[in-house]
Amino acid sequence: EADIYQTPRYLVIGTGKKITLECSQTMGHDKMYWYQQDPGMELHLIHYSYGVNSTEKGDLSSESTVSRIRTEHFPLTLESARPSHTSQYLCASSEGVGARVGGQPQHFGDGTRLSIL
Amino acid sequence: QQQVKQSPQSLIVQKGGISIINCAYENTAFDYFPWYQQFPGKGPALLIAIRPDVSEKKEGRFTISFNKSAKQFSLHIMDSQPGDSATYFCAAGGPGKSTFGDGTTLTVKP
Repeated sequence: EADIYQTPRYLVIGTGKKITLECSQTMGHDKMYWYQQDPGMELHLIHYSYGVNSTEKGDLSSESTVSRIRTEHFPLTLESARPSHTSQYLCASSEGVGARVGGQPQHFGDGTRLSIL
Repeated sequence: QQQVKQSPQSLIVQKGGISIINCAYENTAFDYFPWYQQFPGKGPALLIAIRPDVSEKKEGRFTISFNKSAKQFSLHIMDSQPGDSATYFCAAGGPGKSTFGDGTTLTVKP
């Protein structure tokens, strides 16, 4: 059973606020990912990490930033939230060290539903 | 450039019927082909996966068929049940990150 946790589950906040979405996993996975998804729609990769101190931008341009100081923790930050940031944000992790390991299953959290007023 | 194309976008099946969802990929470096199932309010969860050294994998009512030469793979759900109603995503993975299809919303009518 995969253990990956996202908090908060829901967040409604005003424009201009700084937001941090938390993601933690207890599986010791090296790879972690952030996706943006409108309900029932496609997954858009916005950030990923192959390990501590490794972060890369994904396929979809995002105004958010991420950090990976500890293996188990991969927070996503929006410095100044805007209504266009309203969406669901999903965090995932997978096994593998570095970029040369073959494909592995991704384990997803249940997401943070973010609404910017 | 979309590397994984999924079809259909939506699918309605009667209870007991067979649901079939198809995916096509472009990058021959992919070596892992999973299907994920997502219910409303939840994150996607791994349903079944296949590697390119086999042409078919079956787990209960769920089967993946894989055609390496055509660069296509499909999910078959036998005896579809209302509880199977969800969004299904195919993906293709390899060294580095995975690429997901756009998803198929499956509705199984009782």
